[in-house]
Amino acid sequence: AQSVAQPEDQVNVAEGNPLTVKCTYSVSGNPYLFWYVQYPNRGLQFLLKYITGDNLVKGSYGFEAEFNKSQTSFHLKKPSALVSDSALYFCAVRDGRTGRRALTFGSGTRLQVQP
Amino acid sequence: GAVVSQHPSWVICKSGTSVKIECRSLDFQATTMFWYRQFPKQSLMLMATSNEGSKATYEQGVEKDKFLINHASLTLSTLTVTSAHPEDSSFYICSAQWGEKLFFGSGTQLSVL
Repeated sequence: AQSVAQPEDQVNVAEGNPLTVKCTYSVSGNPYLFWYVQYPNRGLQFLLKYITGDNLVKGSYGFEAEFNKSQTSFHLKKPSALVSDSALYFCAVRDGRTGRRALTFGSGTRLQVQP
Repeated sequence: GAVVSQHPSWVICKSGTSVKIECRSLDFQATTMFWYRQFPKQSLMLMATSNEGSKATYEQGVEKDKFLINHASLTLSTLTVTSAHPEDSSFYICSAQWGEKLFFGSGTQLSVL
């Protein structure tokens, strides 16, 4: 079984400040980790993924995430937040050892960036 | 990027009626589509995997006779909620697989009165 935890329902940050959205995971095989963003009335949009290689992954819109195997975490980060980053963020995982493509999602974290 | 269109975006229906939700991949062919359900402040929960030309694979606890999935073409999968009840009220979202990537619809908010 696999699971994802996003401990924060909401994260508030001032524009220009760094932001972090937390994610921890549990998977029995190889973790393939993903971050998606959902803007109002839009579908989930892919931000970035970790499959293998460098623990620091860079993605769209200036976001990055760091894979930490010992802490089973994959926190999303951005050095300088924009008001337009305000949205709902989902972390997801799947077991890369299996052929199953379906993702297991966290409950989502709402990011609010204040001007 | 690739586009997945989900329709309707919201629907209100009476208890006992059936509701059909469509998921279309507009500019690519998707042999596999997934249907998720989300309750407020909870995770997106996988309901079923829809494969073109074959029966859908349902997750444990999901009633296949209640949530009918049809994937008749490479660009269209439908989810029909049969004999809907208020507890079926939820946000339903589909995703379509293209190669290694997943693309998501914008979701359907179902309210059953």
